Amino acid sequence: DAGITQSPRHKVTETGTPVTLRCHQTENHRYMYWYRQDPGHGLRLIHYSYGVKDTDKGEVSDGYSVSRSKTEDFLLTLESATSSQTSVYFCAISEAGVPNEQFFGPGTRLTVL
Amino acid sequence: AQKVTQAQTEISVVEKEDVTLDCVYETRDTTYYLFWYKQPPSGELVFLIRRNSFDEQNEISGRYSWNFQKSTSSFNFTITASQVVDSAVYFCALSEASNFGNEKLTFGTGTRLTIIP
Repeated sequence: DAGITQSPRHKVTETGTPVTLRCHQTENHRYMYWYRQDPGHGLRLIHYSYGVKDTDKGEVSDGYSVSRSKTEDFLLTLESATSSQTSVYFCAISEAGVPNEQFFGPGTRLTVL
Repeated sequence: AQKVTQAQTEISVVEKEDVTLDCVYETRDTTYYLFWYKQPPSGELVFLIRRNSFDEQNEISGRYSWNFQKSTSSFNFTITASQVVDSAVYFCALSEASNFGNEKLTFGTGTRLTIIP
């Protein structure tokens, strides 16, 4: 199994509070991704990174920011959480980007009340 | 624009039956890649297969097989002699060559497969 961990695994927070999710990899893969999974939508890309300090937006990036200061860590921040951001968040890594396969972390279930 | 349709929201079959999960895609590119991922009840996503648009050969891996037909824009997944451990949500996904560098991987909405013992 690819060495990907996400923290926290579960979080409940209130509307308007900032939230940071962490993805950590031990595979030294260049690409890292954040997705959200919602019923009826499958997985949708939020942001991705193609190297340290190199990031770009995905399909549903509004309300989210990311940072990557080290190869192994990719942070997703909700600056001011809203109920619409209640979701399961998955981190993924890829050695060389699409179309190479992506390997996913265990997910973080976030509930915004 | 790329799109993936998994029309079967939920499927239930009795153990040992064969089952096929449908995936229909839309793309204007001639070069693209198709993927299948499995999400078991534990929640993680597991990569199953990647196929490029120039390789229409069907692929078999144990009880799993994949039928890629460009003429019908389909990439269907068949499980033979299903087992309870096959119970999961299965996602089909598409990436277009024109998006290389943009990292756009479009997922279908998934098919929840339940194998009844």
